[in-house]
Amino acid sequence: SQTIHQWPATLVQPVGSPLSLECTVEGTSNPNLYWYRQAAGRGLQLLFYSVGIGQISSEVPQNLSASRPQDRQFILSSKKLLLSDSGFYLCAWSSTGIGGYTFGSGTRLTVV
Amino acid sequence: TQLLEQSPQFLSIQEGENLTVYCNSSSVFSSLQWYRQEPGEGPVLLVTVVTGGEVKKLKRLTFQFGDARKDSSLHITAAQPGDTGLYLCAGRNTGTASKLTFGTGTRLQVTL
Repeated sequence: SQTIHQWPATLVQPVGSPLSLECTVEGTSNPNLYWYRQAAGRGLQLLFYSVGIGQISSEVPQNLSASRPQDRQFILSSKKLLLSDSGFYLCAWSSTGIGGYTFGSGTRLTVV
Repeated sequence: TQLLEQSPQFLSIQEGENLTVYCNSSSVFSSLQWYRQEPGEGPVLLVTVVTGGEVKKLKRLTFQFGDARKDSSLHITAAQPGDTGLYLCAGRNTGTASKLTFGTGTRLQVTL
């Protein structure tokens, strides 16, 4: 069966420090991968998506970047964090089509 | 930009009551999905509806897709405390990336 792993679960980082969040998927090949950010108790905003290795599309201009070095690995990064980068970050995968997404358990990022 | 508005934003009811959550858009979607999210976790897919006018039942939950495939509703019968959570609708279109557009969310609290 397919599983998705996301880590770390929580992270407290100072302003100006770098960021690296990792997401890996098991049990499937060539998944579509997504990074979302969620404001407290609200809907999800799509940040990046990828349909293959090295293929990254950005939805929102911001202080973050994403990379997909392997088929089932998706990384969210920042060189210098801002206070406004705080939030709940979610990784997800799907197959092409109209089916559902499977989400990781999320990373709560607090920039101080 | 496709937007999905959910109503109500918040709902606090007692165990045994019925409720309906609405999800509306001006855009047409190939499929409409509903997710439930617990605090500190990623959303979990409840159902996908594809055909205009489609009705799906999941125990005490009834999901309906509008005839024009622009809106959807979620009805819960005899709510239980275990139904508490954030309910998110999401629209998806076909295509290589098949991105999901999420609704604004409805927070439901069911008390004894």
